[in-house]
Amino acid sequence: EVQLVQSGAEVTRPGESLKISCKGSGYGFFGYWIAWVRQMPGQGLEYMGLIYPDDSQTRYSPSFQGQVTISADKSISTAYLQWSSLKASDTAMYYCARVGSPQFPPWFDYWGQGTLVTVSS
Amino acid sequence: EIVLTQSPATLSLSPGERATLSCRASQSVNNYLAWYQQKPGQAPRLLIYDASNRATGIPARFSGGGSGTDFTLTISSLEPEDFAVYYCQQRSNWPLTFGGGTKVEIK
Repeated sequence: EVQLVQSGAEVTRPGESLKISCKGSGYGFFGYWIAWVRQMPGQGLEYMGLIYPDDSQTRYSPSFQGQVTISADKSISTAYLQWSSLKASDTAMYYCARVGSPQFPPWFDYWGQGTLVTVSS
Repeated sequence: EIVLTQSPATLSLSPGERATLSCRASQSVNNYLAWYQQKPGQAPRLLIYDASNRATGIPARFSGGGSGTDFTLTISSLEPEDFAVYYCQQRSNWPLTFGGGTKVEIK
């Protein structure tokens, strides 16, 4: 069974750094691109960027380029999303999702359960 | 960036009724459109990809249609578990974009 399991909820302060994770299982993790998607409170879905765990190629949405860093460690089937200096406006639910389509740009066939990040002073 | 506009914002229907949701793109996306369902407190779930293909395990009451700029998601007969928010997503151009969602609520 394909599963993406994300790290737990985080409460943090503005200016702090943070790294959240997404661990894949039930399939060849290194061979499928993984995306990160933001959902702000009460809002819709926003694509942030993608990573190919086998060689760590990344592709960012212009809206998030330079704001976050996406990385992966294929040896432990885990992708990461990190911030160097959080803002209150980063408060959101963050989902990882597996790319399902054979061609790019993609659609997403499996999703993690989400990680709620709360940034508050 | 391609903007996807979903309508209506909210659809109030009873179980057993037919639901028709719309997604309009600001420019042609060919047939490169997907639909997702999201229930409260849950992650999105893929329903339809490339406009009309049901994802694995999706019941036949869900169907997608359209091409170019106008797309529909139809639920032929609403089941209690279908009351949720539905999003469309285009994969024609980078960056990927999602519509604002349609909430299907119980009347």
